[in-house]
Amino acid sequence: SAVISQKPSRDICQRGTSLTIQCQVDSQVTMMFWYRQQPGQSLTLIATANQGSEATYESGFVIDKFPISRPNLTFSTLTVSNMSPEDSSIYLCSVPGTGLSYEQYFGPGTRLTVT
Amino acid sequence: AQSVTQLGSHVSVSEGALVLLRCNYSSSVPPYLFWYVQYPNQGLQLLLKYTTGATLVKGINGFEAEFKKSETSFHLTKPSAHMSDAAEYFCAVKSQAGTALIFGKGTTLSVSS
Repeated sequence: SAVISQKPSRDICQRGTSLTIQCQVDSQVTMMFWYRQQPGQSLTLIATANQGSEATYESGFVIDKFPISRPNLTFSTLTVSNMSPEDSSIYLCSVPGTGLSYEQYFGPGTRLTVT
Repeated sequence: AQSVTQLGSHVSVSEGALVLLRCNYSSSVPPYLFWYVQYPNQGLQLLLKYTTGATLVKGINGFEAEFKKSETSFHLTKPSAHMSDAAEYFCAVKSQAGTALIFGKGTTLSVSS
């Protein structure tokens, strides 16, 4: 399985500011996913990021709030813009497995607290 | 819309007891099903998966799950709980609309000595 790292591991930010989260994979992958895990909740898909094309956002998530970059096959960033306390969550990136069983492998997550 | 329901947000067992975490899913096509575990302050780790074939799936750390199509269930079990099993467990199904995963709300497993 792929080894995935995220930076930062955690941060405390003031409302109105923006934070960019980095996700690095040790192998080339076409597709990367960004999820949000709000306190005490499950994971919700924010967007799917394919290299060379615009990210595809899920209902309820917009590019202006969560811009995503995918400059190459091993790296992606998610920015949380104009933050409010409601954005306090764990943000995780994931990549698909190499087989046809559709499993995903997750990074360790970025724990964001907005004050 | 597809959904995953995990019955019981919190399950408590004694060390050595049977672990049973329940998961029901909705899908109009044969599903791909997964169980993930999340230890405190860590990301998600894949425990096991069901794709096709044998309905009893064995995973890591002694866990297994049985796919029952008639019951639309994919319950996770372990014969004997260990203290190190205390964690959050998530059931997930592959989205019919693409390759993303749809997760249940999770079940916190507590193990007491």
